[in-house]
Amino acid sequence: NAGVTQTPKFQVLKTGQSMTLQCAQDMNHNSMYWYRQDPGMGLRLIYYSASEGTTDKGEVPNGYNVSRLNKREFSLRLESAAPSQTSVYFCASKGNFQDSRDSNQPQHFGDGTRLSIL
Amino acid sequence: ELKVEQNPLFLSMQEGKNYTIYCNYSTTSDRLYWYRQDPGKSLESLFVLLSNGAVKQEGRLMASLDTKARLSTLHITAAVHDLSATYFCAVDPGTYKYIFGTGTRLKVLA
Repeated sequence: NAGVTQTPKFQVLKTGQSMTLQCAQDMNHNSMYWYRQDPGMGLRLIYYSASEGTTDKGEVPNGYNVSRLNKREFSLRLESAAPSQTSVYFCASKGNFQDSRDSNQPQHFGDGTRLSIL
Repeated sequence: ELKVEQNPLFLSMQEGKNYTIYCNYSTTSDRLYWYRQDPGKSLESLFVLLSNGAVKQEGRLMASLDTKARLSTLHITAAVHDLSATYFCAVDPGTYKYIFGTGTRLKVLA
């Protein structure tokens, strides 16, 4: 079971460059999430997708865009990278909120993408 | 604004000792989760707490939830080195917007 797969694992960018972080899950989950993790700040939600075809802003969406390509894939794009976006990015997925069995399950996380912007 | 506060932020303890990590949150919540993260790794689910008074135990870890006090605790019994990690609580306010605590970095000394 692959679970949640993120690519790439590491990336270094220059300020102003663009890049897309990829995330795919094989658990048939409806909802998917992008978080960033910074020292001393826990995980902060960037965007989420409640189901295929929908996306919504989280706590820190500025500077990012997302695409829910299909049920399996949810990508995060940095159009013009800034040093403040240096972070570790985690993708997560979860089953159907309307299904009582799935709604009580935790989120499943990928291994993260470590992104440095110079 | 929903806030989730954990304390302590850092905890250094001797093997064999007991200690409790606290997670306070500022609004009603349907569910509360505890995760463990090893350095450079992903988050691993430990416990899901679904209702007031819920208690879950796994090995040397026990989690509880008091929804009236808006408080969850993670109790460590007779700590061992393998428990060294960062522990996060996360609150599900009934939307998709989970809120994570800042984490408690635990170091168990031999």
